[in-house]
Amino acid sequence: QKEVEQNSGPLSVPEGAIASLNCTYSDRGSQSFFWYRQYSGKSPELIMSIYSNGDKEDGRFTAQLNKASQYVSLLIRDSQPSDSATYLCAVIGDKIIFGKGTRLHILP
Amino acid sequence: GAGVSQSPSNKVTEKGKDVELRCDPISGHTALYWYRQRLGQGLEFLIYFQGNSAPDKSGLPSDRFSAERTGESVSTLTIQRTQQEDSAVYLCASSLRSGRFGGQPQHFGDGTRLSIL
Repeated sequence: QKEVEQNSGPLSVPEGAIASLNCTYSDRGSQSFFWYRQYSGKSPELIMSIYSNGDKEDGRFTAQLNKASQYVSLLIRDSQPSDSATYLCAVIGDKIIFGKGTRLHILP
Repeated sequence: GAGVSQSPSNKVTEKGKDVELRCDPISGHTALYWYRQRLGQGLEFLIYFQGNSAPDKSGLPSDRFSAERTGESVSTLTIQRTQQEDSAVYLCASSLRSGRFGGQPQHFGDGTRLSIL
């Protein structure tokens, strides 16, 4: 059974600090990795994609991929209250699997 | 429209009735996905269409569920003889083509919130 695991949270982070979200996956053949943000009652919104080992930065967001260790992480710098949401990790190998998400709460 | 469009946005129906949900993908997106999300839960993959290829139905939970898509256009998800456990938000997503499951980011519609009484 191929799986994608995320800590369900809630993860509480003070405003202005760095939020670190982690995701592990079981399928070593996975090739594409995505982070989605989902506000309560809303549909998922793509925020980052990463395909190769290392870091990828986009504004306040940095995605990190380590295929050897089978994990992908998302860092949010200078956290804002508007970052409070559930963050979903999605992994594509021979099928797409979403994690159940981590609830992030930014404390004002 | 610019995004994925789903209708209806909300559907309330009695147990045992059939329902049909509609998804209009982004123009040019050959891949289309249906997901189910129960309250407080993650996304559950249901079915995947890629162009004119045979759909991947591996996620459909029972034979009461079916979906159709003609070419690269609108898709409908049909649930027959609805049960209370079918209550969930049904999300549709589309993406550009690249490999069996895209490898491309998916763009989601706003979903249909289905409530079975």
